[in-house]
Amino acid sequence: SQQGEEDPQALSIQEGENATMNCSYKTSINNLQWYRQNSGRGLVHLILIRSNEREKHSGRLRVTLDTSKKSSSLLITASRAADTASYFCATDAEEYGNKLVFGAGTILRVKS
Amino acid sequence: EAEVAQSPRYKITEKSQAVAFWCDPISGHATLYWYRQILGQGPELLVQFQDESVVDDSQLPKDRFSAERLKGVDSTLKIQPAELGDSAMYLCASSWIAYHSYNEQFFGPGTRLTVL
Repeated sequence: SQQGEEDPQALSIQEGENATMNCSYKTSINNLQWYRQNSGRGLVHLILIRSNEREKHSGRLRVTLDTSKKSSSLLITASRAADTASYFCATDAEEYGNKLVFGAGTILRVKS
Repeated sequence: EAEVAQSPRYKITEKSQAVAFWCDPISGHATLYWYRQILGQGPELLVQFQDESVVDDSQLPKDRFSAERLKGVDSTLKIQPAELGDSAMYLCASSWIAYHSYNEQFFGPGTRLTVL
C-alpha cells in the first residue's frame, strides 16, 4: 500500500512556466521528501521537509507542507526541458516503521 | 562523486529461472535498501540492511526472494524461480544512518528485469 498520492498523474507545460505537483498522505509523518526520476533510471533526492516546517526552498524548487491537511506541494519555477522526469513524494512515519513510503508519482513533461 | 553501483542494468529471463542482482553502495554507508518499482508506480521497499543484518524484510516474498549482505558492504538480491509478475525495476539505495528521520537515500540506476 502506498501512503502518498501525487496529483496530477501527468503534467505538460511549456519551458519557462512553473510546475506544481501535490502530494497527499494518510498518517502523521516525521518528514516528507521529494525525489526525481529520469526515464527508466534511479531516483535523485531533491529536498526534505520536516514535519515542523512549513516551507523550504532549494534553487528553483519550493516545497510546502500542511500537516493539518496532510499534504505537500512541489513548485518548480521557470521550468526547463531538463526538468522532464517523474517526481515522487516519500514519507516516513512511525506507523510504517520509519521506512520511506513512496507515492505513485507525477510525470512532468516540459516542452521546449 | 560517489555513486551506488548496480549490475546488470537489464536482465531478460524466462519464468522459473533464477536471477540475481548485485549492488555496491556508497562507501561508508551502513544502510542498504532494495526496492521494487513496477511500471507506473513508486518504489516499494523489499528489504533493508543495517551493516550485514536485515532490519526489515516484511515486504520480501520469502518463498522466492532472498537477499544477503555478507560482509556489510555489497549485496545480492536473488529470485528463484522468477515469475511473470516479477517484471519490474529493482533499485538499490544506501544511506548513512538507518533509524534517523533525516536519512537521504542515494539510489543506483536500477536493474530492469523482464520475465518472459
